[in-house]
Amino acid sequence: QVPLQESGPGLVKPSDTLSLTCTVSGVSISSSYWSWIRQPPGRGLEWIGYIYYSGATNYNPSLKSRVTISVDTSKNQFSLKLSSVTSADTAVYYCARGFPYSGWTYYFDYWGQGTLVTVSS
Amino acid sequence: DIQMTQSPSSLSASVGDRVTITCRASQTIGKYLNWYQQKPGKAPKCLVYAASSLQSGVPSRFSGSGSQTDFTLTISSLQPEDFATYYCQQSYSNPVTFGGGTKVDIK
Repeated sequence: QVPLQESGPGLVKPSDTLSLTCTVSGVSISSSYWSWIRQPPGRGLEWIGYIYYSGATNYNPSLKSRVTISVDTSKNQFSLKLSSVTSADTAVYYCARGFPYSGWTYYFDYWGQGTLVTVSS
Repeated sequence: DIQMTQSPSSLSASVGDRVTITCRASQTIGKYLNWYQQKPGKAPKCLVYAASSLQSGVPSRFSGSGSQTDFTLTISSLQPEDFATYYCQQSYSNPVTFGGGTKVDIK
């Protein structure tokens, strides 16, 4: 098992920055694609982006201007910042490991339990 | 972005039924297609990756097939614990994208 655990505020005000951290235990973060995925209540899944252990990132173009994902290998953690949030950013946010199986391509084999972030004043 | 379209969006079935869920990609993606199961209040769980490779620990009643643009997830004999929502996801190109989901509930 590779437990992942999200942490961060459950309530964020409109126009503020959403900040979440994912703590990885059981395996070094120095491999794989560490991702953030979100799911608005009652809706489907949206990939936000990933960070590779080297620090290379890739973001969903729909969110790219507002997203920053960073990694702290010394703490086995990676983090998400999403700026200028609105009610449309209200969702359950998951961190997940993207396990590479063919070249760069990967699938999400381990997920955190998810954390609900509500954007409201 | 590659659009993933699942059908049906929901279905009702009985224990023991054979269930098939379809996923279509808006462009060819080879075999870079993964399937997930999500139960209410839980994170998704990977069932199948690379279109037909069963993830470790997943029961053999689950199987995936297809390539290029058309894919299927089959549950050979539906069990009570299989009532859930299923998502396909392409990993051919970024941004990776998910289908809209297929909810399987009890008839």
